[in-house]
Amino acid sequence: EAGVVQSPRYKIIEKKQPVAFWCNPISGHNTLYWYLQNLGQGPELLIRYENEEAVDDSQLPKDRFSAERLKGVDSTLKIQPAELGDSAVYLCASSLGNDLYNEQFFGPGTRLTVL
Amino acid sequence: DQQVKQNSPSLSVQEGRISILNCDYTNSMFDYFLWYKKYPAEGPTFLISISSIKDKNEDGRFTVFLNKSAKHLSLHIVPSQPGDSAVYFCAASIQGGSEKLVFGKGTKLTVNP
Repeated sequence: EAGVVQSPRYKIIEKKQPVAFWCNPISGHNTLYWYLQNLGQGPELLIRYENEEAVDDSQLPKDRFSAERLKGVDSTLKIQPAELGDSAVYLCASSLGNDLYNEQFFGPGTRLTVL
Repeated sequence: DQQVKQNSPSLSVQEGRISILNCDYTNSMFDYFLWYKKYPAEGPTFLISISSIKDKNEDGRFTVFLNKSAKHLSLHIVPSQPGDSAVYFCAASIQGGSEKLVFGKGTKLTVNP
């Protein structure tokens, strides 16, 4: 079974530029998550999707961050414009989401460096 | 305010000995706890979990203990192997794992041959 796929793996941009990350969850997983992981910290949830609906985006900085999950499968996370403080690893995860106690499966992440 | 705390940033043990990683939490609403292992340049990998109705869960060399009154859980690895060297994250959630996970900062485990 293929795992969660993310691309690109690494991205270097200059501040004020836009950037986008893509995630393909495990087939059949209804729930998709985007996490932000700063250096030396644990992952922090940005947004959670149930199928195509964003059910928890309370931690997403909506002035510059946006996300979508068209057709309830793949998802894209965008930052526009990027700031120096956005340098971090962006992790995508997915879970079955139908029952309690479903573990979340993580992709390898996209490491963003903003210069 | 950190709701999940891993107070030891690092731990070093000898191969074959026991590794004990600790985690404390403050939110009494948490009812599901997980441990993830993370190698460099990879995403976290699920290791083991425990619901609040249990106080112990075992899977091979890995055992998680939950002390609800102390709001404390620990991961025991016996025997430790060099391949266990990684960063271990403790995570907690409300209403099962499908809700958001709240992670600790992680503990870097080094198992020396």
